[in-house]
Amino acid sequence: AQSVTQLGSHVSVSEGALVLLRCNYSSSVPPYLFWYVQYPNQGLQLLLKYTSAATLVKGINGFEAEFKKSETSFHLTKPSAHMSDAAEYFCAVSGYNQGGKLIFGQGTELSVKP
Amino acid sequence: KAGVTQTPRYLIKTRGQQVTLSCSPISGHRSVSWYQQTPGQGLQFLFEYFSETQRNKGNFPGRFSGRQFSNSRSEMNVSTLELGDSALYLCASSFYSRNMDSGANVLTFGAGSRLTVL
Repeated sequence: AQSVTQLGSHVSVSEGALVLLRCNYSSSVPPYLFWYVQYPNQGLQLLLKYTSAATLVKGINGFEAEFKKSETSFHLTKPSAHMSDAAEYFCAVSGYNQGGKLIFGQGTELSVKP
Repeated sequence: KAGVTQTPRYLIKTRGQQVTLSCSPISGHRSVSWYQQTPGQGLQFLFEYFSETQRNKGNFPGRFSGRQFSNSRSEMNVSTLELGDSALYLCASSFYSRNMDSGANVLTFGAGSRLTVL
């Protein structure tokens, strides 16, 4: 069975500092991995996805993530945090022929201090 | 291009009632998925419809049901509401391509319908 674990339900960084949000997955088959962001009172927006092409994936708003099979990780990073990055971030996993069925992590709330 | 539209955005019901939520996908998207989001359980998959057929189903009781119409619009229904059904219900649509495994599909989410059960 597939599962996702996000380490840290709350992460706080200063503006301009590195953002690192951790995600580990469990999957018996090569997974598809996604990072979504949710702003208050809104739905989820895709940041980036991994689908077995390049292991370093670049997304929107300066975010990127690296797929590491040996560590079963897909951590999200951004070199310099901006106030507008404050939101909740979700890591999700899918598999072959799973269609719209994503397994989500519990989410990490990112706070950015001025 | 219009996004995924969910109606109503907010609603309040009492225990025992039923509720119907609506979702209009992005034009051209034939797959619609539904998720329940709560503080305690997080985001949980309810079901997915494709071409008017239920394609995948999550682990929810039979009180939760859905359907999809020929224009790809979808509805979900919750009968005999319980307090624990209070949640944000999210709909997501995706484009189906024969040239790509469906597991790699990108879901585009609506803003959700927030249900409060009193």
